[in-house]
Amino acid sequence: GDSVTQMEGPVTLSEEAFLTINCTYTATGYPSLFWYVQYPGEGLQLLLKATKADDKGSNKGFEATYRKETTSFHLEKGSVQVSDSAVYFCALSPTQGGSEKLVFGKGTKLTVNP
Amino acid sequence: GAGVSQSPRYKVAKRGQDVALRCDPISGHVSLFWYQQALGQGPEFLTYFQNEAQLDKSGLPSDRFFAERPEGSVSTLKIQRTQQEDSAVYLCASRPGFSYNEQFFGPGTRLTVL
Repeated sequence: GDSVTQMEGPVTLSEEAFLTINCTYTATGYPSLFWYVQYPGEGLQLLLKATKADDKGSNKGFEATYRKETTSFHLEKGSVQVSDSAVYFCALSPTQGGSEKLVFGKGTKLTVNP
Repeated sequence: GAGVSQSPRYKVAKRGQDVALRCDPISGHVSLFWYQQALGQGPEFLTYFQNEAQLDKSGLPSDRFFAERPEGSVSTLKIQRTQQEDSAVYLCASRPGFSYNEQFFGPGTRLTVL
């Protein structure tokens, strides 16, 4: 079945460091891909998404590119801030339009120190 | 505007008790999803409604779990004879319609079964 594998955490970085969180997926067809973020004490929020191969999603300085050839959707940010400390979830939606459930990875906890 | 709301935010139940968790989706959203998030894990799909029709309940872990959305708006997730392994955060998400694949999440209900 469909699945998402993301890098194990926790990840600890200093402010202004470069961030990469790896995410790979297994799915049939052409899933949509998402990164959700969960800040401490808050609910899941969509960070960015991509719906087809080679699309790049971006938001708040974060980027991820849908790579069908490597079945990957790695999250990157050039310079992290303390406020980026959160748990990040990679997810896929099995089909475009009319899709049902989201399939999530286990999450990666990021801590950014000043 | 108002987002997805869930109540109660926290619930403590003794083993064997029945619980009911409520979800108020964003007004006008056709699709509604329930997920279960165990501590340190990603959310896992439980069930999906399109208006009042429950189209997918493949993720419900046992027949003790029951969900309904009788008027196509508010939904209730009921767990009968709760067990310790039911302890988790239960997330509700809604989506505007079939061709829109972003889901909007509520803050969740944290259920603790003693």
